[in-house]
Amino acid sequence: GQNIDQPTEMTATEGAIVQINCTYQTSGFNGLFWYQQHAGEAPTFLSYNVLDGLEEKGRFSSFLSRSKGYSYLLLKELQMKDSASYLCAASDSNYQLIWGAGTKLIIKP
Amino acid sequence: ETGVTQTPRHLVMGMTNKKSLKCEQHLGHNAMYWYKQSAKKPLELMFVYSLEERVENNSVPSRFSPECPNSSHLFLHLHTLQPEDSALYLCASSQGDREGGYEQYFGPGTRLTVT
Repeated sequence: GQNIDQPTEMTATEGAIVQINCTYQTSGFNGLFWYQQHAGEAPTFLSYNVLDGLEEKGRFSSFLSRSKGYSYLLLKELQMKDSASYLCAASDSNYQLIWGAGTKLIIKP
Repeated sequence: ETGVTQTPRHLVMGMTNKKSLKCEQHLGHNAMYWYKQSAKKPLELMFVYSLEERVENNSVPSRFSPECPNSSHLFLHLHTLQPEDSALYLCASSQGDREGGYEQYFGPGTRLTVT
């Protein structure tokens, strides 16, 4: 079956760094997406990885290892506004997104 | 502003009612999606339309009926729903559905409560 695993909840301190992990099992693979969703709002796109390695985009970076079926989202210099759920989604052989349940990130002062 | 709008934002309906959810995208995309989001569960893909043709229907009960009259508009018609259908219904659009790397843009969702 197809499956995405990510932690349910994480807590971090303002100004610190946090890494949110995601493991996936899909029928075929056409890339890995990360989305951010604030409470009561729409998910918004953060990053897309299809090749192994690290993609950096400002304070946010995303890493992919296709051989391990593993990705992580790295958030640096955490701000209170980063409190949100972070959704991991893998694109399968039919280009359909298989979604994780999301990781709720709580930032404390 | 994500370029994808949904109405209504909130809807309470009885099990015998008929209602419709509306989605409109202003991004010039050619694929549109309906998702169901329940608390602490992964997003569930319900329907995909590409170039106004339905390309995916993930075993969704017939009490949910989609309609895509053109590439900018998507409807979800609801009838005789069950309490377990209460959830956030999200609409999304993307540039393509069959090419990798095209991110989906989501609307704000309709919070549906079935009483």
